[in-house]
Amino acid sequence: DGGITQSPKYLFRKEGQNVTLSCEQNLNHDAMYWYRQDPGQGLRLIYYSQIVNDFQKGDIAEGYSVSREKKESFPLTVTSAQKNPTAFYLCASRGTGGGETQYFGPGTRLLVL
Amino acid sequence: SQQGEEDPQALSIQEGENATMNCSYKTSINNLQWYRQNSGRGLVHLILIRSNEREKHSGRLRVTLDTSKKSSSLLITASRAADTASYFCATVLSGNTGKLIFGQGTTLQVKP
Repeated sequence: DGGITQSPKYLFRKEGQNVTLSCEQNLNHDAMYWYRQDPGQGLRLIYYSQIVNDFQKGDIAEGYSVSREKKESFPLTVTSAQKNPTAFYLCASRGTGGGETQYFGPGTRLLVL
Repeated sequence: SQQGEEDPQALSIQEGENATMNCSYKTSINNLQWYRQNSGRGLVHLILIRSNEREKHSGRLRVTLDTSKKSSSLLITASRAADTASYFCATVLSGNTGKLIFGQGTTLQVKP
């Protein structure tokens, strides 16, 4: 069953805590993306990676960090510097070689305790 | 930065009616895409229209693109209750590396 998986579905963060959201894909896609969605809003790009061991900041990278050590995996860490982390986080991937659409995971909802 | 503006923000229709959603953008694009999101779920790609295309069809979906007005519309014909969802337009800028810039979306409710 090919696709993108995100875990966990729900995540609770305490004040001052770093938390990591998982994103895995078995589509053999080179590019991967992290978006944040606030209620009633569109998606805003946090970070993206076009190839292993390389990534770029998106529009709202402050308070977040990523790594891309494997093609299949693009974890997102929400650090304590992100003062308003409550949101729905979506991961996506895109194939190169002419593929222009993005394939999305089911999302992780992050809540602050 | 939000490139797309969608109109209306919310739309409520009866089953069987047509639904039209509009999207405007600000800068030159390579292509424009429409995505659908069911409540609390990920996005699903619906259709892509390139900057040199004016109209595209996929099943009950019809998308138009007017680059002179920097606008696009999504028409869903003969709507069904299962079409209830949020619909987003997303643009890929000219010369860009595949980054999508999303509008704020239109929430569609189809009443049975």
